[in-house]
Amino acid sequence: QLQLQESGPGLVKPSETLSLTCTVSGGSISSGTYYWGWIRQPPGKGLEWIGSIYYSGSTYYNPYLRSRVTISLDTSKNQFSLKLSSVTAADTAIYYCATFVWGSLDAFDIWGQGTMVTVSS
Amino acid sequence: DIQMTQSPSTLSASVGDRVTITCRASQSISTCLAWYQQKPGNAPKLLIYKASSLESGVPSRFSGSGSGTEFTLTISSLQPDDFATYYCQQYNSYSLTFGGGTKVEIK
Repeated sequence: QLQLQESGPGLVKPSETLSLTCTVSGGSISSGTYYWGWIRQPPGKGLEWIGSIYYSGSTYYNPYLRSRVTISLDTSKNQFSLKLSSVTAADTAIYYCATFVWGSLDAFDIWGQGTMVTVSS
Repeated sequence: DIQMTQSPSTLSASVGDRVTITCRASQSISTCLAWYQQKPGNAPKLLIYKASSLESGVPSRFSGSGSGTEFTLTISSLQPDDFATYYCQQYNSYSLTFGGGTKVEIK
């Protein structure tokens, strides 16, 4: 059974870069079955897709965040990562990693538990 | 980019009620629509994919319909475990957007 676990600092200063990692267990990140994605949710608000990456390294980003986002893979550690630069208080949110099944589902079927990131000095 | 508008934003209902939530896309997305349920403190859970396909393990009281720009999620008989927030999500040309959510509350 595939499982995802987010990790990273819970507090980031304004203007700095937010860095999170999603560790995949129970399956290989190099499998072509999934796109690996990041979604966030500000406190009390809705869901926002940040971006996704395929095992080939192809990336797809939310156009509103594209200039600040980088998603990458580390196949040796079976992890994928999110970097969001120049953060402000508006980036305070729960950040989820999830698997997106393109073609058969066109949906996120497996989610991590989420990690809260607060942007504050 | 494609905008997704959910209605209502809040819905008050009783156990046993039939509940319908609507999601409208700003342009046609065929049947590339999914529905999720989220309870406080938990990650979203996939309920419906491809507009009308029930995810494995999801009770049959949940159903989805629609194509193009208008979609509905129906709960045929609301159960205590169904009080939660529901989100739609579209996929089109490697871009994704979620609806704003519908909170289903106890009447």
